[in-house]
Amino acid sequence: DGGITQSPKYLFRKEGQNVTLSCEQNLNHDAMYWYRQDPGQGLRLIYYSQIVNDFQKGDIAEGYSVSREKKESFPLTVTSAQKNPTAFYLCASSNRPNEQFFGPGTRLTVL
Amino acid sequence: RKEVEQDPGPFNVPEGATVAFNCTYSNSASQSFFWYRQDCRKEPKLLMSVYSSGNEDGRFTAQLNRASQYISLLIRDSKLSDSATYLCVVNSSLSGGSYIPTFGRGTSLIVHP
Repeated sequence: DGGITQSPKYLFRKEGQNVTLSCEQNLNHDAMYWYRQDPGQGLRLIYYSQIVNDFQKGDIAEGYSVSREKKESFPLTVTSAQKNPTAFYLCASSNRPNEQFFGPGTRLTVL
Repeated sequence: RKEVEQDPGPFNVPEGATVAFNCTYSNSASQSFFWYRQDCRKEPKLLMSVYSSGNEDGRFTAQLNRASQYISLLIRDSKLSDSATYLCVVNSSLSGGSYIPTFGRGTSLIVHP
């Protein structure tokens, strides 16, 4: 089955720790995206990548980092510099400019 | 970046009602348009694309008005299971041929018995 997977589903982090969220797709999509969603809020773009080995900052990139070494994978690292990282993180992919397909998301909680 | 605006609602309607949502966008160079549905604590899922000629999928009808820069979603004969948040998405082109999607904040629909 083609789709997008994200892991883990739930993640707990202590303050000062970096954590990496996984996103993998087997849809052969060129573009991949990371969003953050806070309760009752819309999706805010963190980073996006239109092609392997290239990525751009979105609206709220501070405190986050990404890599795109393979077409299938676009991991997101939440660094200790992110002041308020507790949120629902969603990964998506698309063959631009078409519709995006989302993974099931990772809920990150900072303890 | 250009904005996409939606009325957050909630729209509280009885079963069987017809309800319509609008979404306005500010970037006249926008290329493609979509409606997504998001259930509580779940990922957004594509509901339908929006074409210039308008398109219909069962009880759902989407329309695009480029002159006034808005898209709409009409739901007829509402079901309890339609209760969700509806997100509009606008893809706009950037220099170099790339595209960037912009999401509205969503409109909440509650269908009650």
